[in-house]
Amino acid sequence: GAGVSQSPSNKVTEKGKDVELRCDPISGHTALYWYRQSLGQGLEFLIYFQGNSAPDKSGLPSDHFSAERTGGSVSTLTIQRTQQEDSAVYLCASSLAVSRATQYFGPGTRLTVL
Amino acid sequence: EDKVVQSPLSLVVHEGDTVTLNCSYEVTNFRSLLWYKQEKKAPTFLFMLTSSGIEKKSGRLSSILDKKELFSILNITATQTGDSAVYLCAGENSGGSNYKLTFGKGTLLTVNP
Repeated sequence: GAGVSQSPSNKVTEKGKDVELRCDPISGHTALYWYRQSLGQGLEFLIYFQGNSAPDKSGLPSDHFSAERTGGSVSTLTIQRTQQEDSAVYLCASSLAVSRATQYFGPGTRLTVL
Repeated sequence: EDKVVQSPLSLVVHEGDTVTLNCSYEVTNFRSLLWYKQEKKAPTFLFMLTSSGIEKKSGRLSSILDKKELFSILNITATQTGDSAVYLCAGENSGGSNYKLTFGKGTLLTVNP
């Protein structure tokens, strides 16, 4: 596609519910990254994929976060049993390969947990 | 733990002014320093710096890296209102299974007419 797309653009949910955020990277980009940006904070690196593999999941904030990527393309970030502190903008980026090319960012998903 | 610190946190200038944004970093197995501009949601790439002392330039923007002192600066000359944005700096490590890009909190630049 022309750029990285993310859906939904906005999500309001109640505390305790599960949410699934989707990222569709630029076609041909093998690397995909998830970030979280809380109000007034910089981007927090969560996880990256090279192909379908995520070598290091230690950046995920807690065990109620999980991410997967299938077919080397679309990725989903799932937050189970959401908490108010999970409210943030979740940004996805993709690049041709890990650490060898510019990352291009999607527009993000603004998650609000009430 | 890797750390990137930007200063100032915010800056207000008038059109035509020149600004310098600062970024210091502590990144294990450092590979490169990146600058992004964030206006609404998606950060857009500005520069990637890997070598010390070599200035990168794009129009009115330029940036340079000092790997000895572990910092970088982003200069914007003849600022315009369209330059108003958050400027993010990030340090990239050299990859492997522990690949990571560590961002600073950003500098909010406001350019008034």
